[in-house]
Amino acid sequence: QVQLQESGPGLMKPSETLSLTCTVSGDSINGHVIAWIRQPPGKGLEWIGYIYYTGGTNYNPSHKSRVTFSVDMSKNQFSLKLTSVNAADTAVYYCARYYCPDTVCRGFDYWGQGTLVTVSS
Amino acid sequence: QTVVTQEPSFSVSPGGTVTLTCGLSSGSVSTSHYPSWYQQTPGQAPRTLIYDTNARSSGVPDRFSGSILGNNAALTITGAQADDESDYYCMLYMGSGFWVFGGGTKLSVL
Repeated sequence: QVQLQESGPGLMKPSETLSLTCTVSGDSINGHVIAWIRQPPGKGLEWIGYIYYTGGTNYNPSHKSRVTFSVDMSKNQFSLKLTSVNAADTAVYYCARYYCPDTVCRGFDYWGQGTLVTVSS
Repeated sequence: QTVVTQEPSFSVSPGGTVTLTCGLSSGSVSTSHYPSWYQQTPGQAPRTLIYDTNARSSGVPDRFSGSILGNNAALTITGAQADDESDYYCMLYMGSGFWVFGGGTKLSVL
């Protein structure tokens, strides 16, 4: 059973750097692509970007200047860093695994349960 | 910038059939957008229903089906049940590795 588990700081202050991890269990991350998605309270889902197990990335242009993804194969883990957070970054952050039967991905097959990040002074 | 559009809300009677749509502010949705659909109940993570236009995710009942209808991707729920009352999001591939979610549809079963 594949499971994704996000972890993060919970509460942050403006201007700090957010660090989240997504730990995958039940399968190796080798060969897979992980997306990061967020959802502000009461609002819809927003695609932040994705990272391949090789480290290749693609970011939503809206966040490209502040976000960085990385991968740690030894820990079966992906990470997100978001710099200079502000109140608008308050959201539940999800990681999700793409279903990619060939060179093109088709959507997600597994989601994490999400972690709430609140930015407040 | 192209926006992915969904009905903000919809209602269906128990046992009825409803079709939710996913469109583009400019242009038509096709299978090349690899439309996928996600169900989310309050306080829960999204659950994948449909990927690649019409492929049901593991464990999803066949009451849920995906298709292309006209210029839109569509999610059809037949025999609606009370626990289908949820938010439904579509996601489209816009090319160049870029994916976009629709704004979501709040479905009421009443």
